[in-house]
Amino acid sequence: AQSVTQLGSHVSVSEGALVLLRCNYSSSVPPYLFWYVQYPNQGLQLLLKYTTGATLVKGINGFEAEFKKSETSFHLTKPSAHMSDAAEYFCAVSEGSGGSNYKLTFGKGTLLTVNP
Amino acid sequence: KAGVTQTPRYLIKTRGQQVTLSCSPISGHRSVSWYQQTPGQGLQFLFEYFSETQRNKGNFPGRFSGRQFSNSRSEMNVSTLELGDSALYLCASSTGQGIPDTQYFGPGTRLTVL
Repeated sequence: AQSVTQLGSHVSVSEGALVLLRCNYSSSVPPYLFWYVQYPNQGLQLLLKYTTGATLVKGINGFEAEFKKSETSFHLTKPSAHMSDAAEYFCAVSEGSGGSNYKLTFGKGTLLTVNP
Repeated sequence: KAGVTQTPRYLIKTRGQQVTLSCSPISGHRSVSWYQQTPGQGLQFLFEYFSETQRNKGNFPGRFSGRQFSNSRSEMNVSTLELGDSALYLCASSTGQGIPDTQYFGPGTRLTVL
């Protein structure tokens, strides 16, 4: 069974500081990995995804994530935080094989606060 | 393309009632998935429909059911509502074919059970 662990339910950074949100996964087969962002009272917006190929993935709004198979990690980073980045971030995995490709398993989420 | 739409956005029901939520996927998408989001349990997969057939199912009781129509629109039904069913219900659509498949989410329906 696949699972996702997001370290830190709440991360607080200053505007302009580095953002680092941690995600570790477990999967019995090569995974597909996703980061979604959720703003208050809204649905989930896809930030980026890893499927195959390049392990450093660039997404929207200046975010990127690196897939590290040896560490089973997919941490999300942004060099310089902006006030508009304040939101909840979810890491998700799908096993990418057959029917399980269409089911996402999510982490518990990390609430990012950006201080002026 | 228009995104995933969900109606209604907000719903208040009382225990014992039933409720139907609706989801219209992105044009051309044939797969619709439903998720329940609560503060305690986080985001949990309910079920997925593709071409009017349930293809995947999560670990929820039979009170939770769904269906998909020939135009790919989907409905989710919860019968005999319980207080614990209060949640944000998210619908996601995808092509339903190919690996990998990316899911795009709607704004959700917030259900409050009193």
